[in-house]
Amino acid sequence: QVQLQESGPGLVKPSETLSLTCTVSGDSISRYYWSWIRQPPGKGLEWIGLVHYSGITKYNPSLKSRVTISVDTSNRQFSLRMSSVTAADTAVYYCAGNIAGSSRTYWGQGTLVTVSS
Amino acid sequence: QSALTQPASVSGSPGQSITISCTGTSNDVGGLNYVSWFQHHPDKAPKLIIYDVSQRPSGVSNRFSGSKSGNTASLTISGLQAEDEADYSCSSFTHSTTLVFGGGTKLTVL
Repeated sequence: QVQLQESGPGLVKPSETLSLTCTVSGDSISRYYWSWIRQPPGKGLEWIGLVHYSGITKYNPSLKSRVTISVDTSNRQFSLRMSSVTAADTAVYYCAGNIAGSSRTYWGQGTLVTVSS
Repeated sequence: QSALTQPASVSGSPGQSITISCTGTSNDVGGLNYVSWFQHHPDKAPKLIIYDVSQRPSGVSNRFSGSKSGNTASLTISGLQAEDEADYSCSSFTHSTTLVFGGGTKLTVL
């Protein structure tokens, strides 16, 4: 079964860039669409965007101008970069994967990112 | 893209059945069979309980079931147990291969 693990700084200053990486194990990275999802404190889940190993990317329109998601198949990783962060970007960030042709979702454990000076 | 619509809260007594709705559009819930349901407990990652509208992953109790009618998907939990008290969220892929979530429903077991 595929397993995912997020890594990256837990604290980011306002106006700087948030960077997270998700490492994939247990299955081929090419079988999945890979997503980043976040949950601000006390709020619901918000999809940030996805990437496929072929290079296809899709983004939440509300975040598209600040977000880049990329995949590194050789290292079995995919990454999130979010620029110009504010306190509103404070959230638990999850990486997740869906096998193409299914909504079956595998989740990482999540990592809390706090935006504060 | 708009979030899917879920009730903010539902409640039920042990042993009862409850249903949580998730309403979207023909661009997502109504047009594709890619609806999932997740159970969240505080400080834990969401747990997949239903995918592809009505499929249950191995290890998930058969007390959980999913269905869809038109633009509304539903999660039914039968034989409510205290351990079912949690937040529940739905998601759906869209025709443009984006993903949209519902706002979440808090289930209280009375």
